Amino acid sequence: IVLTQSPATLSLSPGERATLSCRASQSVSSYLAWYQQKPGQAPRLLIYDASNRATGIPARFSGSGSGTEFILTISSLEPEDFAVYYCQQRSNWPLTFGGGTKVEIK
Amino acid sequence: EVQLVESGGGLVKPGGSLRLSCAASGFPFSSYSMNWVRQAPGKGLEWVSSITSSSTYIYYADSVRGRFTISRDNAKKSLYLQMNSLRGEDTAVYFCARDFPATPSRMGVFDPWGQGTLVTVSS
Repeated sequence: IVLTQSPATLSLSPGERATLSCRASQSVSSYLAWYQQKPGQAPRLLIYDASNRATGIPARFSGSGSGTEFILTISSLEPEDFAVYYCQQRSNWPLTFGGGTKVEIK
Repeated sequence: EVQLVESGGGLVKPGGSLRLSCAASGFPFSSYSMNWVRQAPGKGLEWVSSITSSSTYIYYADSVRGRFTISRDNAKKSLYLQMNSLRGEDTAVYFCARDFPATPSRMGVFDPWGQGTLVTVSS
């Protein structure tokens, strides 16, 4: 299953709303996760099964969607949110990741 | 505190072998499935392999099947990745990640991750 993330880069200012998209080449039901990765760090789980926030993840992060279309929303960007975000499906083997969306400071 | 610490990375020539280890602490290792994910320099994430808690089920990406072997030692709380016939395209940071049990009998959510170990395949 191919996951396509858009846009590749999102240039926003702190306080703005970020909307990241992930499209699957076939239905993954709700088996989609989102990860955040900062430079030089390991990825961190944000959202699993499309809309469930992982432990310790702030409420400004939310996920939605099912089937082939998914959205990660950051309601109001904090300085620490500028990073790369990856979606990942676990509906079918092999597990696959999207190519990532970089959220950068405008 | 859950900790995953990878080791064993380094520089290896094409065709060579390397064994990665991941030492786990802070949780009942034998109860969790585990995973390896890699990231080539400047690139995205690529799932490599997964193993269930008792090693009953093992899965590999097509790109490594037949060359890499995942294993675990629950007594030592350790996960391994034996990498043979290494190629330049295997150059990456290799992360070990615990499987988050979001739903019973379905793997594939990675939380948390170790800091990774760099494998460089070059002559």
